[in-house]
Amino acid sequence: EVQLVQSGAEVKKPGESLKISCKGSGYSFMTHWIAWVRQMPGKGLEWMGIIHPGDSDIRYSPSFQGQVTISADKYRSTAYLQWRSLKASDTAKYFCARQTTSSSWDFWGQGTLVIVAS
Amino acid sequence: SYELTQPPSMSVSPGQTASITCSGHKVGDKYTCWYQQKAGQSPVLLIYQDTKRPSGIPERFSGSNSGNSATLTITGTQPMDEADYYCQAWDSSTDVVFGGGTKLTVL
Repeated sequence: EVQLVQSGAEVKKPGESLKISCKGSGYSFMTHWIAWVRQMPGKGLEWMGIIHPGDSDIRYSPSFQGQVTISADKYRSTAYLQWRSLKASDTAKYFCARQTTSSSWDFWGQGTLVIVAS
Repeated sequence: SYELTQPPSMSVSPGQTASITCSGHKVGDKYTCWYQQKAGQSPVLLIYQDTKRPSGIPERFSGSNSGNSATLTITGTQPMDEADYYCQAWDSSTDVVFGGGTKLTVL
């Protein structure tokens, strides 16, 4: 069974750093792109970027380029989303999703809620 | 940058047909996907490559895409279909683009 399991909720202060994770199982993690998606409270889905775990090829959305870092450890079957300095506006739920060969996202993680507040 | 526009909300009576549109310049030249997101849950892929349904998605969900508009159609809408629906397409300049989402109420 394909699963993407994300790390738990985080409460952080502005200026702090954070790295959240997305662990894949039940399929060949190295062969599928993993996407990261933001959903701010009460808002829609926003694509942040994608990574190919096999060769760490990464594409960022222009809206998130320079704001976050996406990485992956193919040996741990885990993708990561990282912030150097969080802002209150980073408060959101973050989803990872597996990309198919048709460029759609067929399996999603359960989401990681990140709250940034002083 | 490329944009996809959806109606923010719509309502439908049980058993009726709901058609949710996704408008964008020449979106018919791109492949579109549709996702359903129920309250507090992760999105679920409903339609990919404009018209294809993943395994396990009921036949009442169908998709089309032509010209400047893609459409998700729910035939015989059920109360369990109450959710937010998002269209998605790939654009050469920005890669992935989502529509703003449509909140479907079944009443």
